[in-house]
Amino acid sequence: NAGVTQTPKFQVLKTGQSMTLQCAQDMNHNSMYWYRQDPGMGLRLIYYSASEGTTDKGEVPNGYNVSRLNKREFSLRLESAAPSQTSVYFCASRSAIRQAPNYGYTFGSGTRLTVV
Amino acid sequence: EDQVTQSPEALRLQEGESSSLNCSYTVSGLRGLFWYRQDPGKGPEFLFTLYSAGEEKEKERLKATLTKKESFLHITAPKPEDSATYLCAVWQPNSGYALNFGKGTSLLVTP
Repeated sequence: NAGVTQTPKFQVLKTGQSMTLQCAQDMNHNSMYWYRQDPGMGLRLIYYSASEGTTDKGEVPNGYNVSRLNKREFSLRLESAAPSQTSVYFCASRSAIRQAPNYGYTFGSGTRLTVV
Repeated sequence: EDQVTQSPEALRLQEGESSSLNCSYTVSGLRGLFWYRQDPGKGPEFLFTLYSAGEEKEKERLKATLTKKESFLHITAPKPEDSATYLCAVWQPNSGYALNFGKGTSLLVTP
């Protein structure tokens, strides 16, 4: 099925460990995004990539790095995990074409990360 | 600074009891307002996009409306399967057209 695929779905890390969250889309979208969702905080933008080869910081980038590997893939890396990074992480992608009902703005099913 | 505020935070309805969710926004030049539905453990699922004041869109028991300051999601004769968190968001042109989300309204519909 076409859409946004995130791996892993669940992960437990110890403080100080590193990991990379993977995201891939097969809709030929130019723009990709990483959000985190915490109880009572809504979804907040971490990083985004407006097009292949570019990345920019969002609202809460500290402690994260990203790589836009190619048009399909956008990864999020935690170099030294902290308990404050316990959250649910969502990747999304978007078409540049307005004719799509919502610019094809599509979310993955999320990665639930716990840092102990 | 652009802001999106949703109310109420939580809403409990009986099956068939109609109500409305509110999303107020302060943005300079609205480019689009989105409504999403989110079920526990899943990603947001697109419902509607509204682009200009006066616009309305409908889908089954849901109807979204837009004014210059706020949007409403009207739920008519809800069913238990409408229970979910409903999220409102606006474009952020300065952030690659990312979405700026409100905190959501958690809706519970009881039989």
